[in-house]
Amino acid sequence: GAGVSQSPSNKVTEKGKDVELRCDPISGHTALYWYRQRLGQGLEFLIYFQGNSAPDKSGLPSDRFSAERTGESVSTLTIQRTQQEDSAVYLCASSLNLAGNNEQFFGPGTRLTVL
Amino acid sequence: QKEVEQNSGPLSVPEGAIASLNCTYSDRGSQSFFWYRQYSGKSPELIMFIYSNGDKEDGRFTAQLNKASQYVSLLIRDSQPSDSATYLCAAWMDSSYKLIFGSGTRLLVRP
Repeated sequence: GAGVSQSPSNKVTEKGKDVELRCDPISGHTALYWYRQRLGQGLEFLIYFQGNSAPDKSGLPSDRFSAERTGESVSTLTIQRTQQEDSAVYLCASSLNLAGNNEQFFGPGTRLTVL
Repeated sequence: QKEVEQNSGPLSVPEGAIASLNCTYSDRGSQSFFWYRQYSGKSPELIMFIYSNGDKEDGRFTAQLNKASQYVSLLIRDSQPSDSATYLCAAWMDSSYKLIFGSGTRLLVRP
């Protein structure tokens, strides 16, 4: 079956522009996660969804970041007024549910470059 | 102190040797731990999951968990050049539904 997909795979933007990143989770997965990975670094947790609810937004780096999810389907991560420090790979993952023993399946990521 | 700590490496081992990767975590409430492998430019893929104290073996991989010492390790037996990658340790936080990753250890297996 299809895995997690993300689009675009690469995005180059100018400082100050808004960008929207998309994630399509595995069908049937109720939990969805967004991470940021800077070059040579580990994964930084941003936000999770259970269904279309995101109870904890404290991992988002600033109020320029927002995320939403439609039902138990597509999620979008929006970064407004992008800054150079936003340059990173943004990874989306999904799992069957929020139980701690569930594997998170990762998408291929969106590489964001802010000039 | 980071919540999950790993030595960044690189850890270099000859082909056929045992590679030992280590990870410590700070939150005693963490119950589940994951090892992901990440090839350069690719997304992470799950190698091992462990939640009970002791060892868990899967093929050439053995995960070890010691909750008293807050220590998780991954052993790779008969290391192959194809094992060369970054290995990410992650701890699941039941209280916050977050998977917290370490910064990863880069493993190089020399032919």
